Amino acid sequence: AQKVTQAQTEISVVEKEDVTLDCVYETRDTTYYLFWYKQPPSGELVFLIRRNSFDEQNEISGRYSWNFQKSTSSFNFTITASQVVDSAVYFCALGGDYGGSQGNLIFGKGTKLSVKP
Amino acid sequence: GAGVSQSPSNKVTEKGKDVELRCDPISGHTALYWYRQRLGQGLEFLIYFQGNSAPDKSGLPSDRFSAERTGESVSTLTIQRTQQEDSAVYLCASSPQTGYYGYTFGSGTRLTVV
Repeated sequence: AQKVTQAQTEISVVEKEDVTLDCVYETRDTTYYLFWYKQPPSGELVFLIRRNSFDEQNEISGRYSWNFQKSTSSFNFTITASQVVDSAVYFCALGGDYGGSQGNLIFGKGTKLSVKP
Repeated sequence: GAGVSQSPSNKVTEKGKDVELRCDPISGHTALYWYRQRLGQGLEFLIYFQGNSAPDKSGLPSDRFSAERTGESVSTLTIQRTQQEDSAVYLCASSPQTGYYGYTFGSGTRLTVV
């Protein structure tokens, strides 16, 4: 079965701390995609990153970095020097070819990050 | 349009009434998706369209839910005889094609059934 687990329900940090959001996935597919989305209090989901299963290179974008490890089925997200504006719910998602249906993403339940000044 | 537009942004309805939720995808996006997000929960997939066709309707929670898309553009999600458990934010997303080339989500419709 396809599944995404975000074990951390809520995380609270103080500004400038580094924080890592965990994501573990399960899939039978050999080709799949992993995503992170940010949902600020305004409610709109913001796309952060998409990785495919053949690309295990870590990626850095400004204060954001992602660590993809197929051996542990994890796709963790780190925010360096967190800021109050990073406060949001972060969702990890999995997409793949489910028996030919390429329509939907499987989302984790999300991790609520609160960054305090 | 520039983004995915959903209307109404908020809807309060009485139990048992029918509601229609509308999604205007980004122009030219052939793939369109509907998700439901209950309070404090993750996103639950409902249905997707490739063009005007919905290859997979298995995510619809019950036969009270239906969706259609016309002109490879606007989509409508209809919930008949609403129940309190239907209360949620209904999110629409579009992408240039199926295959995960970056969904763009709308702001959602917050449905409250009283």
